[in-house]
Amino acid sequence: QSVLTQPPSVSGAPGQRVTISCTGSTSNIGAGYDVHWYQQLPGTAPKLLIYGNSNRPSGVPDRFSGSTSGTSASLAITGLQAEDEADYYCQSYDSSLSGSKVVFGGGTKVTVL
Amino acid sequence: EVQLVESGGGLVQPGGSLRLSCAASGFTFSRYVINWVRQAPGKGLEWVSGISNSVGSTYYADSVKGRFTISRDNSKNTLYLQMTSLRAEDTAVYYCAKAYSGYENNWFDSWGQGTLVTVSS
Repeated sequence: QSVLTQPPSVSGAPGQRVTISCTGSTSNIGAGYDVHWYQQLPGTAPKLLIYGNSNRPSGVPDRFSGSTSGTSASLAITGLQAEDEADYYCQSYDSSLSGSKVVFGGGTKVTVL
Repeated sequence: EVQLVESGGGLVQPGGSLRLSCAASGFTFSRYVINWVRQAPGKGLEWVSGISNSVGSTYYADSVKGRFTISRDNSKNTLYLQMTSLRAEDTAVYYCAKAYSGYENNWFDSWGQGTLVTVSS
């Protein structure tokens, strides 16, 4: 069971907007640790999509955007395209009495209808 | 261009050992925290271990603590993961991933292509 909770799947038609939630707790997102997002196309390694909650690396289309609120974060994809069909993972840092560690969400599969 | 190339994966019996390597190029290897992240077949990403730059502080997930050892050779620009007492649940593709800067509250800006470790009799 992942420390960060994501929906297993979301879907949308081309051109639509979809959002992926990433729910954490007061020991990670709620503690002020940043959230980062990765895209994993089928059969490939993950690729950084969003860092520091809402920043896009060079080359990432502005159709992708990230935000945080309280103990949760969201990734939005606007103008959904066929090439966006992939798995998406959120990542943060967790610090509690039991220790500190990097944590990932369980991943969300985006399907373009 | 940053490149991370993993090697050393393969089939190993339960209880066995294996050493993974990650050869880095395109950046000043000694300055960065490098991590291992794994992905079991059909499953999500799991952070395994990380090692700081020159100081060499190490960090481990509870699932591998005491069984895996991360190390680095900055003179060879290479990261290692020594895995012992392997279990079926360690079966996964192992990626090395470069952190943008430090260990805490950081992200992975470059990833290797991964190497598959299969633990089975």
